[in-house]
Amino acid sequence: DTEVTQTPKHLVMGMTNKKSLKCEQHMGHRAMYWYKQKAKKPPELMFVYSYEKLSINESVPSRFSPECPNSSLLNLHLHALQPEDSALYLCASSQVVARRYEQYFGPGTRLTVT
Amino acid sequence: AQKVTQAQTEISVVEKEDVTLDCVYETRDTTYYLFWYKQPPSGELVFLIRRNSFDEQNEISGRYSWNFQKSTSSFNFTITASQVVDSAVYFCALSDFMNRDDKIIFGKGTRLHILP
Repeated sequence: DTEVTQTPKHLVMGMTNKKSLKCEQHMGHRAMYWYKQKAKKPPELMFVYSYEKLSINESVPSRFSPECPNSSLLNLHLHALQPEDSALYLCASSQVVARRYEQYFGPGTRLTVT
Repeated sequence: AQKVTQAQTEISVVEKEDVTLDCVYETRDTTYYLFWYKQPPSGELVFLIRRNSFDEQNEISGRYSWNFQKSTSSFNFTITASQVVDSAVYFCALSDFMNRDDKIIFGKGTRLHILP
């Protein structure tokens, strides 16, 4: 089973709202990732977690706050977003970091900021 | 610097035709990995293949085949007897050890339309 699940599928939020995106995998992977993808562009890496610790933050604004409560779960907390943050947010996982294993992606959350 | 170039922005072919998606990469590292991902309209990126720089054997998986040529820094992907379900955006990607952890350098993608 190579499934990564993400909820919600779609999210519309105002600029003053606080919301969270959730990602889950049960493959025993110890690396988890958040990507942002704008229309007709490739995914852009935001964060990498390795063994539940934040390993990479690609200079993402603080209005995005990641959290990895355990090895299966990854959250992305959103607060005071801007309309330009509207995008597809993809979660991915891989066996471990630093071995260049393939990443398995979830279906994404399509976020619209109004 | 690491770079992945997918020169074909969009391709349209009629069902049952063969189609090749081109991928050219740049890296100064001698050890690296190459990937292909498929992104159908639903949005999920589907992993297709991972190939390391020391393995130049071509690979075939059903209707899919990959041609890795280090001499030309290319990792091309061919779909034989294309089907409408193959319509998607296809990303070629590179991960080397000059990048932190598992950062993947994606190409810009090739949008493939298979016409019935």
